[in-house]
Amino acid sequence: EDQVTQSPEALRLQEGESSSLNCSYTVSGLRGLFWYRQDPGKGPEFLFTLYSAGEEKEKERLKATLTKKESFLHITAPKPEDSATYLCAVGVYGGATNKLIFGTGTLLAVQP
Amino acid sequence: DSGVTQTPKHLITATGQRVTLRCSPRSGDLSVYWYQQSLDQGLQFLIHYYNGEERAKGNILERFSAQQFPDLHSELNLSSLELGDSALYFCASSPREAGTQYFGPGTRLLVL
Repeated sequence: EDQVTQSPEALRLQEGESSSLNCSYTVSGLRGLFWYRQDPGKGPEFLFTLYSAGEEKEKERLKATLTKKESFLHITAPKPEDSATYLCAVGVYGGATNKLIFGTGTLLAVQP
Repeated sequence: DSGVTQTPKHLITATGQRVTLRCSPRSGDLSVYWYQQSLDQGLQFLIHYYNGEERAKGNILERFSAQQFPDLHSELNLSSLELGDSALYFCASSPREAGTQYFGPGTRLLVL
């Protein structure tokens, strides 16, 4: 069964304290690993798409990496405005299947 | 702002009623996806339309239906509503049948 698992479920950091979020997956026909940020009551905001093991992408204080079985979202020197839920999703396409499978997210709180 | 619009933002209705949620994709995007997000289930894929045709179905209830119109906007119809249908409903769009999906702000449905 296709599955996406994120850890930790929640993470509290001090401002400037770097850390990493993990997303592990078991899917067949993977076509893309996606990271989104979601603020309470709002729609997921697209951050990164990764397609191949070894691929890395960066945006401001965030860096996403991908291996054959997992992805990491590294947060360097976070600020309070980085507080949000970070969602990982895998794209599964083919035949009658054409969707994103989401993990349950990591709730990040950055304290000043 | 992702460019995806959804109306209404909030909807309060009673059990047994029927509602219609509307989504306008980003300009030029041909795919529309619908997702349901509840506290205990996370983001769950419902259905995908591409250029007016249904492409894939997730665990969408028989009481729910959707369509995509020639101008590419989409509607999600929810009927015989139950308390458990209360959730956030998101629409997402992408340029093609696969790839990065961009989410709208969502419709919060409350069934009383």
